[in-house]
Amino acid sequence: AQSVTQLDSHVSVSEGTPVLLRCNYSSSYSPSLFWYVQHPNKGLQLLLKYTSAATLVKGINGFEAEFKKSETSFHLTKPSAHMSDAAEYFCVVNKNQGGKLIFGQGTELSVKP
Amino acid sequence: NAGVTQTPKFQVLKTGQSMTLQCAQDMNHEYMSWYRQDPGMGLRLIHYSVGAGITDQGEVPNGYNVSRSTTEDFPLRLLSAAPSQTSVYFCASRQDRNYGYTFGSGTRLTVV
Repeated sequence: AQSVTQLDSHVSVSEGTPVLLRCNYSSSYSPSLFWYVQHPNKGLQLLLKYTSAATLVKGINGFEAEFKKSETSFHLTKPSAHMSDAAEYFCVVNKNQGGKLIFGQGTELSVKP
Repeated sequence: NAGVTQTPKFQVLKTGQSMTLQCAQDMNHEYMSWYRQDPGMGLRLIHYSVGAGITDQGEVPNGYNVSRSTTEDFPLRLLSAAPSQTSVYFCASRQDRNYGYTFGSGTRLTVV
C-alpha cells in the first residue's frame, strides 16, 4: 500500500537560512511524487513533481526535491528562506492510474525575520 | 483561463440540510477529485472521477454523492449534513497521472 510520512509537523527557520522539509514514502511500484504549498486561507499550489525522470526536481520559487529510492525519501529544500515561504507544505504520492493521491499530514513552515 | 472554480466560498448549514458544492474547470482535464481538509489530518479523498460519466469512491465517501455529466463540472452533494462534515473542501483537476493537480480555492463549510 502507498503511504507518505512527513517527519516534521512544524519547521521554523530564519530568513536567509536553508529550508529542509522531510518526506518519506512507501509504494509498491515506482511512484509519482509531488509537493504542494498552501498559504493561509488559500488553495493548494503545485511546487514540483517527480515522475520517474530526473531524480533532482526543480520547482517554483527556488524549491527543489531529490528522489532517493534507496532511502524512500523525497525531501524538499530551498537554499535561502524568504518570509513569503511561510506556509503549510504537503508531500503527496500518487496511488494509482486514477485520481487517488495520498497526502502527508503537512509541515507548517515558519520564517523568522 | 480561470482554472478550477469552486462555489460557494463559505457556507453554514443546519444539521440535516442538503446542499451541493460546485466545481468547474476550463482546462479540459479528465481527472477531477474532491478532498476535505481537517486540522492534523491532511487532505483526504472523498470522491474522484477519471472522465465524464465515471466516478469512484475515495477514502471518506460516506454522506457525499458526486456525478460527472460533463468534463467541466464535478459537483459534490451533501445528502443530510452532519457536524462531522464541518471542514474545508477542495476540488482539484489534472490532465493525467503524470501531472500535478490544480486546486480550487476551497469551500469552508460549517454544519451547526
